[in-house]
Amino acid sequence: DTAVSQTPKYLVTQMGNDKSIKCEQNLGHDTMYWYKQDSKKFLKIMFSYNNKELIINETVPNRFSPKSPDKAHLNLHINSLELGDSAVYFCASGRRRDHEKLFFGSGTQLSVL
Amino acid sequence: DQQVKQNSPSLSVQEGRISILNCDYTNSMFDYFLWYKKYPAEGPTFLISISSIKDKNEDGRFTVFLNKSAKHLSLHIVPSQPGDSAVYFCAASGVGSSNTGKLIFGQGTTLQVKP
Repeated sequence: DTAVSQTPKYLVTQMGNDKSIKCEQNLGHDTMYWYKQDSKKFLKIMFSYNNKELIINETVPNRFSPKSPDKAHLNLHINSLELGDSAVYFCASGRRRDHEKLFFGSGTQLSVL
Repeated sequence: DQQVKQNSPSLSVQEGRISILNCDYTNSMFDYFLWYKKYPAEGPTFLISISSIKDKNEDGRFTVFLNKSAKHLSLHIVPSQPGDSAVYFCAASGVGSSNTGKLIFGQGTTLQVKP
């Protein structure tokens, strides 16, 4: 009964491949997010969706494409993976009226070789 | 251009004593500040928050202080327990309605509480 679950937990792949990370939340929240934690440990927002509508899109390469089939899911697809994409990616959800109190998934460690 | 900074990468405290974690920010338009706690191999979990109209918020052993003139906030944990050992992230939000939900995080401080 995990609140925010993302899969896979670990992802090791070669440069140039395309991969997806899935995220699901069962909290009934209306807003979902993708954050990236880089090698310096900073957590930076990538995307935010509210009721399936994109509301935040930071300066992220267009190789990254989020997809939200419904309010409970926000998947991240990455094309043509590069070495610099190696990081931990966290999915999160929250209520827009209470947007600061986010619930995070356990993260996906992506390693691009 | 890091708008939220945690200048101490680590802190070690004896069990039962006070832990003080510090955070500085540069953007005076931030109107909400939060602390998240993170254990290894888990996602951050919300700990405590404070609105910019307040200077203190307390929740059990955790108290957050905000000094807007100094653009500084701190998290006090009293008394510290070994289970508090984790990475603590400071975060800020509220810069414009288009940034609703956008949290700016510091780089974290690793707290170790020794038994």
